[in-house]
Amino acid sequence: KQEVTQIPAALSVPEGENLVLNCSFTDSAIYNLQWFRQDPGKGLTSLLLIQSSQREQTSGRLNASLDKSSGRSTLYIAASQPGDSATYLCSLGGGGGADGLTFGKGTHLIIQP
Amino acid sequence: NAGVTQTPKFQVLKTGQSMTLQCAQDMNHNSMYWYRQDPGMGLRLIYYSASEGTTDKGEVPNGYNVSRLNKREFSLRLESAAPSQTSVYFCASSEAIASLNTEAFFGQGTRLTVV
Repeated sequence: KQEVTQIPAALSVPEGENLVLNCSFTDSAIYNLQWFRQDPGKGLTSLLLIQSSQREQTSGRLNASLDKSSGRSTLYIAASQPGDSATYLCSLGGGGGADGLTFGKGTHLIIQP
Repeated sequence: NAGVTQTPKFQVLKTGQSMTLQCAQDMNHNSMYWYRQDPGMGLRLIYYSASEGTTDKGEVPNGYNVSRLNKREFSLRLESAAPSQTSVYFCASSEAIASLNTEAFFGQGTRLTVV
């Protein structure tokens, strides 16, 4: 069974800092890895999708990397803003015999103005 | 630009009542999913439909049934609601279930309380 762990569970940083969110997984036989953002009481918004053959993807101030050999992904947020405050979820497509996505429990991020 | 639409957004049921959660997507996706999200448990897959005409159990299917009505619509039914089914339910869709570039898109969720 695919297991996904996100560290830290919560993070609070001052505005303007660069930060890294971590995701680790147990089965590297994945199709892709997708990072989502979830605002309180809302649905999930897709941020970045990394195919299993790729090493990283970038969108604006966000950069996600994937290292299948070590079972790790990182989401780098540059020049953080209060509007970045949300829960960030890592999900794996495939691995562990799973169909659908397997999610971590998320990192709750607060950016202090 | 609707994407994935879920109805209702909120619902309160009494134990033993039944209800159907509706989901529709307008992206011509083949695969659709139902997840539940609970504090401390994260998102867990209930049922999925890899393509029109097929459905399969996910991690937590007990107490639920699904219907893939057509390519656009995938409904989730609770036949006899229990307090343990109090949760936030999310519908999602993707072009395919197991593909390198398959990006999943989620609806806004249904917050269900069973009393």
